[in-house]
Amino acid sequence: GQQVMQIPQYQHVQEGEDFTTYCNSSTTLSNIQWYKQRPGGHPVFLIQLVKSGEVKKQKRLTFQFGEAKKNSSLHITATQTTDVGTYFCAGFNNAGNMLTFGGGTRLMVKP
Amino acid sequence: ETGVTQSPTHLIKTRGQQVTLRCSSQSGHNTVSWYQQALGQGPQFIFQYYREEENGRGNFPPRFSGLQFPNYSSELNVNALELDDSALYLCASSLSPSLGTEAFFGQGTRLTVV
Repeated sequence: GQQVMQIPQYQHVQEGEDFTTYCNSSTTLSNIQWYKQRPGGHPVFLIQLVKSGEVKKQKRLTFQFGEAKKNSSLHITATQTTDVGTYFCAGFNNAGNMLTFGGGTRLMVKP
Repeated sequence: ETGVTQSPTHLIKTRGQQVTLRCSSQSGHNTVSWYQQALGQGPQFIFQYYREEENGRGNFPPRFSGLQFPNYSSELNVNALELDDSALYLCASSLSPSLGTEAFFGQGTRLTVV
């Protein structure tokens, strides 16, 4: 079945440093979604990427979808303590009814 | 907040017992998906319900079953509980089962099996 992997598993950064998490799928994805889960919270939708090579920005967050639609990345510029949480990528199966999540990257920001 | 509510928030059960978890979807959403999230891991898809019918299932045994009601709220039932069933159970509702629809998650039910 479809597998989605993320690296790194954990990342400690100093406030103001940049952060990147990478997502790789074992199969070509129709689209990919990114979620953020704060400690003790639930996943919250951030964005969806659909097109090969697509790049989207949300303030300090930049999301990319690979040309082959098998990988994606999330880059945060100048991290803040409010960025703390676990970032998950998730891809849909071909039928579009099953979302497979990666293991997540837990971001910790030191003030 | 997403408008998706789950009950109860916490639950402790004994191995071998049965449990029912409930989810009220966001207004206007006809699709509900259930996920199991073990500590430190990503959510794992259990199944999806669309207009009261199961519309996809992940790699979970038959003792995990569900229902969706005419008002689109949903239940997750787990029989013969095992210790490994201890996890956060998340419900997510969406406007439709179509590819790429944004999922709105509830706060989850933390199940502990002892």
